Amino acid sequence: SAVISQKPSRDICQRGTSLTIQCQVDSQVTMMFWYRQQPGQSLTLIATANQGSEATYESGFVIDKFPISRPNLTFSTLTVSNMSPEDSSIYLCSVDVAGVGGQFFGPGTRLTVL
Amino acid sequence: GDSVTQMEGPVTLSEEAFLTINCTYTATGYPSLFWYVQYPGEGLQLLLKATKADDKGSNKGFEATYRKETTSFHLEKGSVQVSDSAVYFCALSDLVEDTGNQFYFGTGTSLTVIP
Repeated sequence: SAVISQKPSRDICQRGTSLTIQCQVDSQVTMMFWYRQQPGQSLTLIATANQGSEATYESGFVIDKFPISRPNLTFSTLTVSNMSPEDSSIYLCSVDVAGVGGQFFGPGTRLTVL
Repeated sequence: GDSVTQMEGPVTLSEEAFLTINCTYTATGYPSLFWYVQYPGEGLQLLLKATKADDKGSNKGFEATYRKETTSFHLEKGSVQVSDSAVYFCALSDLVEDTGNQFYFGTGTSLTVIP
């Protein structure tokens, strides 16, 4: 398994500002994933982040709005840019641990945009 | 494309009742199947998994069997407790060319167990 931490755990932000969410893993992993979970809904994959290459974004998500960094094999950041109330969600990072099966999730960052 | 269809909730049960949450899937390849649980205010935790047909995943009294013939992975527990109150997500992982393993999640089923 993998232990994943996220910072911040929650935040309340003003419209038009940006927030960077950090994800730290206790072991080296190739692939990290960022998801969004809007209130009462399931998870939606935002992007896949591999170390040393640009993130791959899913349909409906763009780099200008959700820039991602992946500087090494244990760390990634997701920035939610120019926020609006529609960005209020829980943002989760996860990792795919080779040979174990299944993704392991961080505790999430609960974002509220006013 | 791949997808997961999950029983809609919310589900409310009395303590010690039998639980079934239905999950069916559509996949082009040979997926692995998972159940995740999300307790109030927390992130997702992997509850159990099955990687091939007829495999049974089990954990904490929960079970699910990978049924290829019915493309199902229903979650069951014989006697639920108040502490099982959570949202349960069915998911599949399928190998996608040029992308690797892709995860697909169901919409989640909220379970409330009352004493």
